[in-house]
Amino acid sequence: EAGVVQSPRYKIIEKKQPVAFWCNPISGHNTLYWYLQNLGQGPELLIRYENEEAVDDSQLPKDRFSAERLKGVDSTLKIQPAELGDSAVYLCASSEGHSSEAFFGQGTRLTVV
Amino acid sequence: AQSVTQLDSQVPVFEEAPVELRCNYSSSVSVYLFWYVQYPNQGLQLLLKYLSGSTLVESINGFEAEFNKSQTSFHLRKPSVHISDTAEYFCAVSDRKDTDKLIFGTGTRLQVFP
Repeated sequence: EAGVVQSPRYKIIEKKQPVAFWCNPISGHNTLYWYLQNLGQGPELLIRYENEEAVDDSQLPKDRFSAERLKGVDSTLKIQPAELGDSAVYLCASSEGHSSEAFFGQGTRLTVV
Repeated sequence: AQSVTQLDSQVPVFEEAPVELRCNYSSSVSVYLFWYVQYPNQGLQLLLKYLSGSTLVESINGFEAEFNKSQTSFHLRKPSVHISDTAEYFCAVSDRKDTDKLIFGTGTRLQVFP
């Protein structure tokens, strides 16, 4: 069974440019998470979806970050415009929900220059 | 709010030696506790978790962790490490009433030398 798939694996962009990350969760997983992992830090939750509904987006910087999960399956995370401080690894995870184990993708490493 | 402290950012150890990775948490409510492992170029994987019952939990690859409520700790141990255990280890906590929100520590890099 395929795990959580993220693309791209690596992305280098200039500051002020837009960028988007894509995540395909494990089939049947209703809960999807986006995490931000800065260098030398643990992952921090950005947003959590239950099906297509964002149930926790309190940590998402809404001035420049947006996310969507229109059909309750795949999800995209967008940054517009990107800043130098956005350089980090963006992790996607999914679970069956309600105390189930979260499975993580390999992440997208973003470098803003 | 919960927080997790992993005091050791790096732990170097020789193969077959014992190891302990420390994790302390802070919370005003009852929590669940987790250890995740991240091997090079791979995603985070759940290593073990404490939800209730026995305070000693084990993984399939020889790691164990003990929940100590009085010391608010959940240290990870292995009596004899292998080269393949080289990875980043993250301790995490979640509120029992909001189990889908994980709070991670900063991670400990375990480096096993031959």
